[in-house]
Amino acid sequence: AQSVSQHNHHVILSEAASLELGCNYSYGGTVNLFWYVQYPGQHLQLLLKYFSGDPLVKGIKGFEAEFIKSKFSFNLRKPSVQWSDTAEYFCAVNGASTGANNLFFGTGTRLTVIP
Amino acid sequence: GAGVSQSPRYKVAKRGQDVALRCDPISGHVSLFWYQQALGQGPEFLTYFQNEAQLDKSGLPSDRFFAERPEGSVSTLKIQRTQQEDSAVYLCASSTAGGSYEQYFGPGTRLTVT
Repeated sequence: AQSVSQHNHHVILSEAASLELGCNYSYGGTVNLFWYVQYPGQHLQLLLKYFSGDPLVKGIKGFEAEFIKSKFSFNLRKPSVQWSDTAEYFCAVNGASTGANNLFFGTGTRLTVIP
Repeated sequence: GAGVSQSPRYKVAKRGQDVALRCDPISGHVSLFWYQQALGQGPEFLTYFQNEAQLDKSGLPSDRFFAERPEGSVSTLKIQRTQQEDSAVYLCASSTAGGSYEQYFGPGTRLTVT
C-alpha cells in the first residue's frame, strides 16, 4: 500500500537557520512528488513538485527539494528560514505509472520560526 | 482570480443529522477531489470526479458518504446520519486534468459532530 512518512512532527528554528524536512514514501512504481504548505488560517498551497528530469527541484519562496530514488526520499530544504515560513508542510505522492489521480499525504510537519 | 471555494466554512451537527458540504471548483477545471483531514493528520482521499463522472470513490469510509457533481462543476459531499468520528475538515481540490497536474485546494469545511 502507498504511504508517506514525515518523521519530524514539529520543528522549531531561529530565523536564518537552515531547514531540512524529511519525506519518505512507499510506492510500487513511478511517482509524482509534491510539497504543499499551509500558512496559519490559509488553505493548502503548492510549494513545488517533481514529475521527472532533474531530481533537484526549486519551488517558490526559496524552497527546494531533492528526489533520491534509491532512498525513496523527497526532502524539503531552505538555506535560511524567515519568520513568515512558519506553517505546516505536507509531503504528498501519487502514482504516475498507475495513472492514479489522488494524492497520498504525510501527516505533516509544523515549522515554527522564532524571530 | 477566483480560487476553489467551499461552504459552509464551519458546520456543527448533532449525531444522526445529515449534512451537505458544497465545493465550487476553479472555472474550467475538469478534475475535482474530496479529501478528509482529521486533527493532526494529513488529508486523506475520499473521491474523484472527472467532469460529472465519479471515477474513484475508493476512499469513502462508509455508505453514509455520498458525493455528486451533476453538471461537471459544483460538487456536493453528503454525509448521512453523522457520527462523531466524521468530525474533520473536508477539503475540496480541483485541477485542469488528472493527478499529474497541480491540485488547487479550497479552505475546507470544518465539521464538528456533537
